Amino acid sequence: GAGVSQSPSNKVTEKGKDVELRCDPISGHTALYWYRQSLGQGLEFLIYFQGNSAPDKSGLPSDRFSAERTGGSVSTLTIQRTQQEDSAVYLCASSLAPRGYNEQFFGPGTRLTVL
Amino acid sequence: DQQVKQNSPSLSVQEGRISILNCDYTNSMFDYFLWYKKYPAEGPTFLISISSIKDKNEDGRFTVFLNKSAKHLSLHIVPSQPGDSAVYFCAAGGRGGGSNYKLTFGKGTLLTVNP
Repeated sequence: GAGVSQSPSNKVTEKGKDVELRCDPISGHTALYWYRQSLGQGLEFLIYFQGNSAPDKSGLPSDRFSAERTGGSVSTLTIQRTQQEDSAVYLCASSLAPRGYNEQFFGPGTRLTVL
Repeated sequence: DQQVKQNSPSLSVQEGRISILNCDYTNSMFDYFLWYKKYPAEGPTFLISISSIKDKNEDGRFTVFLNKSAKHLSLHIVPSQPGDSAVYFCAAGGRGGGSNYKLTFGKGTLLTVNP
């Protein structure tokens, strides 16, 4: 399909393990975002990539979280030494380069459960 | 502190009646507002938006009203249909979020439309 895709759809891991979440944005979208939705909460901004500019990492909750975007397309969010509070749905979105009003297109998310 | 608030976690209405979803914000610097709809196990999908220079935007059965003096917006769905049952997120963007690309989301309101 032509939408944003994410993998895996579900991930169960043990506390202390590392996980990698993948996002394939819509072709042609230069902006890519990662959000996290914890139970009962709204979407929490994590990180933003725009073209070749330095990413905005201001939303990453700790240095255990990192993300990269290779070739301006696919992005990987890595969580090291996972903790139970990392359990959430991780959502990726993409958009055209923001010019004022900014509609973001979301993927289905990866549900992460840390036991 | 929550800059975008959806104070009703849930709302139930009868098919054919009006659904009114409310959202309050605290930062007067936001430039635009969006509503997203989310079904279970899917990512949020864009529904309708409004610029801060307008007070109303209509798209079919969906109308968003903005009251800047009260820092309040609402989404009206008329007539409501069972397929509208979903979680609705209010989001705000622009300078109020510190950039033109960050969206600040509320916690969402679960709408149930009963046949």
